[in-house]
Amino acid sequence: NAGVTQTPKFQVLKTGQSMTLQCAQDMNHNSMYWYRQDPGMGLRLIYYSASEGTTDKGEVPNGYNVSRLNKREFSLRLESAAPSQTSVYFCASTPQLQGNYGYTFGSGTRLTVV
Amino acid sequence: GENVEQHPSTLSVQEGDSAVIKCTYSDSASNYFPWYKQELGKGPQLIIDIRSNVGEKKDQRIAVTLNKTAKHFSLHITETQPEDSAVYFCAARETGTASKLTFGTGTRLQVTL
Repeated sequence: NAGVTQTPKFQVLKTGQSMTLQCAQDMNHNSMYWYRQDPGMGLRLIYYSASEGTTDKGEVPNGYNVSRLNKREFSLRLESAAPSQTSVYFCASTPQLQGNYGYTFGSGTRLTVV
Repeated sequence: GENVEQHPSTLSVQEGDSAVIKCTYSDSASNYFPWYKQELGKGPQLIIDIRSNVGEKKDQRIAVTLNKTAKHFSLHITETQPEDSAVYFCAARETGTASKLTFGTGTRLQVTL
């Protein structure tokens, strides 16, 4: 059972380039999330998807877009990368948005924008 | 929205000693408080959680306490071992129709021999 799988694990982009971070879960979870992790700032929510077909902004959505392709997959797109988007990105999932469920996290994508 | 503060940011203990990490939250209606452990190069992993109808929960060497009146909760690790070295995050669940977890800023725990 793979859990939450993120690709790629590492990426270097030039300012202005675009890319999509992929996330897939095989636990039949309804809700999925994208967080970024920066030193001293913990985990901050970028976007989330309560269920297939819905997406909503989190705390720091500017510069990002998301797509909930199906129940398994939730992608994060950077249209025009900026150095401020250098971070480690984590995807997570839970059975559903409501209820006291912990998150299952992927292993992260380390992105550097030069 | 919810705001979670976590202290200390770094903590060094000797093997066998206890470690305590404290968090405070702002939304008195929050009712779910998980703790995550993140090892180097990996994603955070849930290690223990507590719900607001419980004051304390224990799982082997780790325990979490919750004081709803004061709006704070703590992680206690006893008999620390080198493999406990990691970054620990607390979180609180916002209430409402779009409930999400808000995380603290993390505590880097170093267990020395």
